[in-house]
Amino acid sequence: DAKTTQPNSMESNEEEPVHLPCNHSTISGTDYIHWYRQLPSQGPEYVIHGLTSNVNNRMASLAIAEDRKSSTLILHRATLRDAAVYYCILRAGGGSNYKLTFGKGTLLTVNP
Amino acid sequence: GAGVSQSPSNKVTEKGKDVELRCDPISGHTALYWYRQRLGQGLEFLIYFQGNSAPDKSGLPSDRFSAERTGESVSTLTIQRTQQEDSAVYLCASSRWGVYGYTFGSGTRLTVV
Repeated sequence: DAKTTQPNSMESNEEEPVHLPCNHSTISGTDYIHWYRQLPSQGPEYVIHGLTSNVNNRMASLAIAEDRKSSTLILHRATLRDAAVYYCILRAGGGSNYKLTFGKGTLLTVNP
Repeated sequence: GAGVSQSPSNKVTEKGKDVELRCDPISGHTALYWYRQRLGQGLEFLIYFQGNSAPDKSGLPSDRFSAERTGESVSTLTIQRTQQEDSAVYLCASSRWGVYGYTFGSGTRLTVV
C-alpha cells in the first residue's frame, strides 16, 4: 500500500479553521485519498474522499495538490466535537484494494 | 438499520473460553470488514467479505480466529481459547462495492481476564 505521512498532533482553537496536512508522495494514478476520524471511545467515521479535484461536503473540504503528492483536510470552523484522531488513507481505485490501512493519524486538540 | 450494529457492546470472558462477536451491516452493503484496535493502538485489519467471493483472511492473527458471513447479511467473528492479548475493541465496518467510505459500528470491547 502507498503510505501517507501525517503530523502526530495538532492544536486549534474553537471556531477557527483547521488545516490537517497529509503527504503521499508515492501515490499512484488510481489511488483515492480518504479521510476518516475517530472520536474518543468510538469507531472511525468516514469524513471525505477525493481523487484529483477538491471536494466539499457537510463535514469538511479536501484540497488536493495538483501533483497529488499531498492533500489537506480543512475543517472550516472547529468545534470541541471535532477533537479526534484524523486518518489520511490511500485506497486503490477500481475496487481492487478494499483493505483500508490505518496509520497513526493526527491527534487534533481543540481548545475552547 | 441505519447503521452498523455490533453486539455485544462489552464482553468480559475468562482466559481459555470461546467468544462470538456479531455484526449487522447496513442493508445493501456488500462489503464487510473486521478490524481490531488494542488500547492506544491503531486499527489492525482482520478479515474482509465481499458478496459470495472467498473472504480475505490475511489479517487473522492465528487459527483461533475465524469469521463467517451468510450472503450479504450478518457476520460473526469467533475467537477460540481466548488469551489476554486478545483483549481489544473489535470493530466491524461495511460499505458498498467500489471506492466508497466505510461505515463503522461502535465495536465490541472484549476483555479477557
